[in-house]
Amino acid sequence: AQSVTQPDIHITVSEGASLELRCNYSYGATPYLFWYVQSPGQGLQLLLKYFSGDTLVQGIKGFEAEFKRSQSSFNLRKPSVHWSDAAEYFCAVGSYTGYALNFGKGTSLLVTP
Amino acid sequence: GAVVSQHPSWVICKSGTSVKIECRSLDFQATTMFWYRQFPKQSLMLMATSNEGSKATYEQGVEKDKFLINHASLTLSTLTVTSAHPEDSSFYICSARPQQGRTQYFGPGTRLLVL
Repeated sequence: AQSVTQPDIHITVSEGASLELRCNYSYGATPYLFWYVQSPGQGLQLLLKYFSGDTLVQGIKGFEAEFKRSQSSFNLRKPSVHWSDAAEYFCAVGSYTGYALNFGKGTSLLVTP
Repeated sequence: GAVVSQHPSWVICKSGTSVKIECRSLDFQATTMFWYRQFPKQSLMLMATSNEGSKATYEQGVEKDKFLINHASLTLSTLTVTSAHPEDSSFYICSARPQQGRTQYFGPGTRLLVL
């Protein structure tokens, strides 16, 4: 079964600094990979997804992620963080045999002035 | 596009009563809808998967008689928490998958508080 690990529970970055959130997955084949963002008390918003093709995917709000098969990783990046990016970020993996997603435990991002 | 709504956004009820939560896909038809539960500061836990017109598939440990799911149309799924108790208090989030595609789009969530 597929699984997702987000090694960082909390990350603090200064506004304007670059950001990288880590995500490692476990799956026997090429998975479907997603990054979602959740603001407090809200549902999840899709930032970006990877199914196949170009391993560097662009998403909304200036985010991008790179799929690295050799490292089983799908890290999320942003070159310059804004205070409004403070939220909870979830990486998720889906399989070819069904449509359910397995979520990581999430990374809480704090942005300081 | 791909907007999912939930109603109500929050509900407070007495112990022993039943509560119904609606999940609607507003601008697309959803072959599959999912129901998640999220505890404070934790990740999402999949409760069940429902396909339009068929019985929901529940995850291990989720009581199907307590959490009744109905997916009567391609745009509406409901979750009914029957005989709710304080331990059922949580944040419930639904998601919907369009007929074409694998991406899930999430609703804004429903916060349930059982007194």
